[in-house]
Amino acid sequence: TQLLEQSPQFLSIQEGENLTVYCNSSSVFSSLQWYRQEPGEGPVLLVTVVTGGEVKKLKRLTFQFGDARKDSSLHITAAQPGDTGLYLCAGHGSSNTGKLIFGQGTTLQVKP
Amino acid sequence: GAGVSQSPSNKVTEKGKDVELRCDPISGHTALYWYRQRLGQGLEFLIYFQGNSAPDKSGLPSDRFSAERTGESVSTLTIQRTQQEDSAVYLCASRPPGTGGRYGYTFGSGTRLTVV
Repeated sequence: TQLLEQSPQFLSIQEGENLTVYCNSSSVFSSLQWYRQEPGEGPVLLVTVVTGGEVKKLKRLTFQFGDARKDSSLHITAAQPGDTGLYLCAGHGSSNTGKLIFGQGTTLQVKP
Repeated sequence: GAGVSQSPSNKVTEKGKDVELRCDPISGHTALYWYRQRLGQGLEFLIYFQGNSAPDKSGLPSDRFSAERTGESVSTLTIQRTQQEDSAVYLCASRPPGTGGRYGYTFGSGTRLTVV
């Protein structure tokens, strides 16, 4: 069974601080996605990474896929209160069945 | 419609009753997924439909859970003889045809099920 472990589970920081969320597995994933979810809504896709070592930037968010495609990180620079939410990583297994496996999520609170 | 639509948005039911949850995917999206999410947690895979292929039911937690999909449109998730541990948000997602790894899912807003 492929599992994704996210850390930390909870993070409460002040506006302007930087943070990194980690997503780790012992299994290889063909691709990995990051989603952000707000209360009462479904997750919304932020980015997909498919190549080992790939780095993608989305404004103040930087996503990295590990060289071995077993882990990923999300770094937020100068966090804003609007970044508050649940961040989820999700991966497609090496068999690429189409089924996404989700981590347990990281709840981020950015205080003004 | 423009997005994935789920109904009802909220459902309160008595323990032991059956419930039916509905999902209308984005038109043209051949793949449809059901996930369960407990409060503040990640998403637990339940079932996956892809076109006319046999569904992947490997995530259904018990035989009280079943799901159907009509062609490439509406899907219903049925929970029989509901238990309190079934209380959760049930999320539906769809995605376009093609290689799964490169396409993100579009999620509905979910059905919040409370079993009392």
